[in-house]
Amino acid sequence: DQQVKQNSPSLSVQEGRISILNCDYTNSMFDYFLWYKKYPAEGPTFLISISSIKDKNEDGRFTVFLNKSAKHLSLHIVPSQPGDSAVYFCAASASGGSYIPTFGRGTSLIVHP
Amino acid sequence: DGGITQSPKYLFRKEGQNVTLSCEQNLNHDAMYWYRQDPGQGLRLIYYSQIVNDFQKGDIAEGYSVSREKKESFPLTVTSAQKNPTAFYLCASSPGIGFGYTFGSGTRLTVV
Repeated sequence: DQQVKQNSPSLSVQEGRISILNCDYTNSMFDYFLWYKKYPAEGPTFLISISSIKDKNEDGRFTVFLNKSAKHLSLHIVPSQPGDSAVYFCAASASGGSYIPTFGRGTSLIVHP
Repeated sequence: DGGITQSPKYLFRKEGQNVTLSCEQNLNHDAMYWYRQDPGQGLRLIYYSQIVNDFQKGDIAEGYSVSREKKESFPLTVTSAQKNPTAFYLCASSPGIGFGYTFGSGTRLTVV
């Protein structure tokens, strides 16, 4: 049973437009959420995180929104760039992030020039 | 530079052979992890270790074994009991459990 779901396996966006990657979770104990970015044949790298005490966290072109009542979070990339083309993993953890995170299956983002 | 190193990047083995994947970190992290990535499956936890000489099974430990004799090293052995060993294997470390993951660049294992 998947506790962290990324229902869109892939997303294609034009350069300069907004990319929105979605993530849903089922475990109400999750209170810390992370996004990782992964290029082919490389390890994932940390992108941005959000604690459940917030509903928004911003870092440059990347913003994560959290809707606790809907158990939903999204990653917005504005403007999208070709270098953003990668697989994005959503992850969720409990106890303020002190538990091993559970990862979603990933969404492959392609940004076209 | 501090980091986490996995070797080799590509590995080929014959079916029925055990194979050991290396993972070394010089970040002074206490916790280390092994994940497996398959297409469309995301990252699945195989084993993790919080301290030297201690490790715990993850979600898909069957057919794998690990050791943690040194803080810096967490090798993974894929045994012949693993039914579908061909995959991309990722090692990670963190200062404590859950926080601040650093991933290695992965090992692509192909069993023929």
